Amino acid sequence: DQQVKQNSPSLSVQEGRISILNCDYTNSMFDYFLWYKKYPAEGPTFLISISSIKDKNEDGRFTVFLNKSAKHLSLHIVPSQPGDSAVYFCAPKGSFYNQGGKLIFGQGTELSVKP
Amino acid sequence: GAGVSQSPSNKVTEKGKDVELRCDPISGHTALYWYRQRLGQGLEFLIYFQGNSAPDKSGLPSDRFSAERTGESVSTLTIQRTQQEDSAVYLCASSMLESEQFFGPGTRLTVL
Repeated sequence: DQQVKQNSPSLSVQEGRISILNCDYTNSMFDYFLWYKKYPAEGPTFLISISSIKDKNEDGRFTVFLNKSAKHLSLHIVPSQPGDSAVYFCAPKGSFYNQGGKLIFGQGTELSVKP
Repeated sequence: GAGVSQSPSNKVTEKGKDVELRCDPISGHTALYWYRQRLGQGLEFLIYFQGNSAPDKSGLPSDRFSAERTGESVSTLTIQRTQQEDSAVYLCASSMLESEQFFGPGTRLTVL
């Protein structure tokens, strides 16, 4: 039973254009939704998050949108840069008080930004 | 160092052997997590420690897997009688309560 799905295993975008990475989830108990970025041979690094009480959070070139009724979130990167090329994981989590704060990771989307 | 460290970075072992993986969390972080990523798959939660509470072992795939944590410090993940399907990158993360998790670089385990 996959609670988190990232249906696009890969995405290729031209430098300067927008990258949109999507994530669908099934568990309505998630409190926070995080995006992590992972380069080869490194651990994931935190990128941006959104609380379940919000529908948008922006940080520089990165914006995350949350549609709770559709149980869908997306990460927008604009403008995309070659250094953004990495695997992006959607990782919702419950609070420490109902799910121990553990992250439930999607399968990841490999973003490739072409110069 | 300031980050989460893991050792060894790579481990090659023969099927049936036991292995022990180590994680040094960020000092002061009360929560520690183990995940694994098998080839072509997402990260899979294994086990979680929070302070002195009983660990959440709900993600451990079999009784061959166990983990310990000394106080709010080092953790070791032990896999007994390794199988080829145990081959994966094992990732450790630590956090303060309710804050983001910081990951180590992982240990790549290969079981021949």
